[in-house]
Amino acid sequence: GENVEQHPSTLSVQEGDSAVIKCTYSDSASNYFPWYKQELGKGPQLIIDIRSNVGEKKDQRIAVTLNKTAKHFSLHITETQPEDSAVYFCAASTGNFNKFYFGSGTKLNVKP
Amino acid sequence: SQTIHQWPATLVQPVGSPLSLECTVEGTSNPNLYWYRQAAGRGLQLLFYSVGIGQISSEVPQNLSASRPQDRQFILSSKKLLLSDSGFYLCAWRGSGKSAKNIQYFGAGTRLSVL
Repeated sequence: GENVEQHPSTLSVQEGDSAVIKCTYSDSASNYFPWYKQELGKGPQLIIDIRSNVGEKKDQRIAVTLNKTAKHFSLHITETQPEDSAVYFCAASTGNFNKFYFGSGTKLNVKP
Repeated sequence: SQTIHQWPATLVQPVGSPLSLECTVEGTSNPNLYWYRQAAGRGLQLLFYSVGIGQISSEVPQNLSASRPQDRQFILSSKKLLLSDSGFYLCAWRGSGKSAKNIQYFGAGTRLSVL
C-alpha cells in the first residue's frame, strides 16, 4: 500500500517568514495530493490540493509543488501569520479516490 | 449544503466496556464514509471505509468494527475496549460519482479516553 512520510514534525517560524513542509510518497499510481489544516480540537480541513498533471498550484499565500519523478510534494506558506498556527497534513490518493493516505502531520507554530 | 455530525465529542470509558460512535451526513446521497484514528501527536490512520450500505473495508487489524446500516450513517464499535483504543476518532465523507469533488470532509471528532 501507499506510504506517505512528512517532515518536519514541528516547525516554528517568526511571523512574516515562510514555512515549507515536505512529503514523500511511495506508490507511483498516486495522482492526487491534498493538504489539510487541523486546528486544535477540530477535524482537518482541506486548504489546497494538486493533481499529478500539474507541477505547482497557488492560492494566495499558500502553494503546493509536486515532483512526480522524485515522488515528493511540498506545501509553501508565505508571509505567515499567527492564525496559520495549526497541524498540517499531507495526503496521497490514487485515481479512484476511495482511500487517502495521510502523513504524520506537522505542527506549525507562528510566533508573533 | 452538506454537513457531517459526529458524537459524542468526548468519551471516557473503562477498559473492557463496549463502544459505539456514530457519524451521520446530511445533504448528500451515497457518500463514501471513513473512520480515522489520530493517536496523540501522530497522523491520521485510516481504520475503515465504506462505499455503500453494508459495504465495509477494514484497513488494519484491530479491536474495532464498523457498520453502515443506512446510506448516511456510519458507526464505529467495539465489544471490549482496550487501553490502546484511546485516541481522537474522526469520521469523514467524500462524494461519490464522476462529478464528485475529491475532497474528504471531516467531522469535529470524538476524543476517547479508555481508563
